[in-house]
Amino acid sequence: DAGVIQSPRHEVTEMGQEVTLRCKPISGHNSLFWYRQTMMRGLELLIYFNNNVPIDDSGMPEDRFSAKMPNASFSTLKIQPSEPRDSAVYFCASSLRTGGKDTQYFGPGTRLTVL
Amino acid sequence: SQKIEQNSEALNIQEGKTATLTCNYTNYSPAYLQWYRQDPGRGPVFLLLIRENEKEKRKERLKVTFDTTLKQSLFHITASQPADSATYLCAPGGAGNNRKLIWGLGTSLAVNP
Repeated sequence: DAGVIQSPRHEVTEMGQEVTLRCKPISGHNSLFWYRQTMMRGLELLIYFNNNVPIDDSGMPEDRFSAKMPNASFSTLKIQPSEPRDSAVYFCASSLRTGGKDTQYFGPGTRLTVL
Repeated sequence: SQKIEQNSEALNIQEGKTATLTCNYTNYSPAYLQWYRQDPGRGPVFLLLIRENEKEKRKERLKVTFDTTLKQSLFHITASQPADSATYLCAPGGAGNNRKLIWGLGTSLAVNP
């Protein structure tokens, strides 16, 4: 299996522009997680989906952030309009809950820089 | 609010020694706790999981303990090697339908040859 695939790996954009991050989870996994990581705050869960349905979006900073999962093999995280404080590494992770536990498999991340 | 605390300072040890990393949690009763390793420029990678009813778990040179009374987990790497140098993240998880993991900031470990 190729693992979790994220694109782009790096994104540099100007304040006010729309940014779309993409994720392909591991085939067969039924949960997908979007995280943001910064030095100061560590890994923060933004939103997670179970069977393509958003379950908890309490970590989404504000209305500028939105996420979709139209099918089991694709998800997007969109920021519109982007701001410099959104600069961070964004990770997508997928999991298949077995035996009551969740082991999450992370993608390589997208490093976002908003100028 | 739920809080996870890990050694904030980087840990430097000599090759061959045992590294011990600490994870403390408050306002939380996790059903299990996971440890991940993260290398620079990469996503976290799962290492070990320990359940609330387990005291200790081992995998090769790794050992994890879980004390629900102290609300603490210890992560040990025995016979450490320079290749073990990385950031280690602690992530307690909930029970039932709660799929969320709460993440610590991680502890940076450097193993010197």
